[in-house]
Amino acid sequence: NAGVTQTPKFQVLKTGQSMTLQCAQDMNHNSMYWYRQDPGMGLRLIYYSASEGTTDKGEVPNGYNVSRLNKREFSLRLESAAPSQTSVYFCASSDQNSPYEQYFGPGTRLTVT
Amino acid sequence: DQQVKQNSPSLSVQEGRISILNCDYTNSMFDYFLWYKKYPAEGPTFLISISSIKDKNEDGRFTVFLNKSAKHLSLHIVPSQPGDSAVYFCAAIDSGGGADGLTFGKGTHLIIQP
Repeated sequence: NAGVTQTPKFQVLKTGQSMTLQCAQDMNHNSMYWYRQDPGMGLRLIYYSASEGTTDKGEVPNGYNVSRLNKREFSLRLESAAPSQTSVYFCASSDQNSPYEQYFGPGTRLTVT
Repeated sequence: DQQVKQNSPSLSVQEGRISILNCDYTNSMFDYFLWYKKYPAEGPTFLISISSIKDKNEDGRFTVFLNKSAKHLSLHIVPSQPGDSAVYFCAAIDSGGGADGLTFGKGTHLIIQP
């Protein structure tokens, strides 16, 4: 039981490049989330998906798109990366019976130069 | 405007003593609060939570206290152990707000001294 997995662990992009961050969970959770954490800051919600087929914007959605591919997988896409998107990205999931207790992946450290 | 505030970036406590981490919030609609623990290069892990209908929740060495009138909560760790050294995030949610995402504080780095 791996929990929440994220790939890649590290990535360096040039400004304007695109990439997709992958996230998968094996806990049969309905809800999945993408957060970013900047130095000295708490985690901020980018997008979330309450169930397969639905996605909603969080606090900081600009510059990102998401896809809830199936119940297990939730990907985050940067279409044209900017230096302001340098951050650590965390994916999380939660069960409908305990929706606020979220389980986090290990994170993807992204640097945009 | 920060809705969840952890005003102490770091806290140093001797092993065996009590660690008290504090958190204040401004949004009166928040009705569920959580503490997460984070080690370097790992994701946050859930530690303990409390609903706004309670003022205390205890789980082993960890106790969370909620003072709704002061919009303040605290996490007590007794006794503190070396493995408790980590960054602790306070988080909150308005369960009727329509979004399931948590609002996090900036975190407090707890250092347990041997």
